[in-house]
Amino acid sequence: GAGVSQSPSNKVTEKGKDVELRCDPISGHTALYWYRQRLGQGLEFLIYFQGNSAPDKSGLPSDRFSAERTGESVSTLTIQRTQQEDSAVYLCASSYIHGGTYEQYFGPGTRLTVT
Amino acid sequence: KQEVTQIPAALSVPEGENLVLNCSFTDSAIYNLQWFRQDPGKGLTSLLLIQSSQREQTSGRLNASLDKSSGRSTLYIAASQPGDSATYLCAVPTGANSKLTFGKGITLSVRP
Repeated sequence: GAGVSQSPSNKVTEKGKDVELRCDPISGHTALYWYRQRLGQGLEFLIYFQGNSAPDKSGLPSDRFSAERTGESVSTLTIQRTQQEDSAVYLCASSYIHGGTYEQYFGPGTRLTVT
Repeated sequence: KQEVTQIPAALSVPEGENLVLNCSFTDSAIYNLQWFRQDPGKGLTSLLLIQSSQREQTSGRLNASLDKSSGRSTLYIAASQPGDSATYLCAVPTGANSKLTFGKGITLSVRP
């Protein structure tokens, strides 16, 4: 079956512009996560959705970052007024509860470069 | 606060060698532990997930063990191949079905 997909795969933007990153989770997965991986650093959690609500937004680094999810499906991560330190690979993951398994499946990521 | 450590950061071995990758975590109250593989410029591929009630999981040449009480997991790779070259990350969830805390990964290079 189809895995988690993300678009665009690469995005180059100028400092100060807004960007939107999209994630399509695996069908039926109720949980959706956004992570960020900056060059030379580990993966950082950004936000978690259960259905359409976001019970954990603790990883969003500033109020320039926001995310939404509609219809327990697609999620969009928006970064306003991008800064160079926002350059990173943004990864989306989804999961569902099945017999106690909470395995997260990751998409290929969006590589964001802010010039 | 959960912290996950993977040491060493990089490892180079000759083809055919059996090897062990280590992962340690500070809070033993975990629901499960997941091992991932990441190829350069790519996303994460899930390799194995071990539930907290399990001691080990196997998939092909990979075997992952979990010792919750000591806060450790190991990923054993048998008969390593150049195609195994990648970064291997371990991660644990914070709470049930919640965010993953990752180690920084071990970059493995298998020399032909």
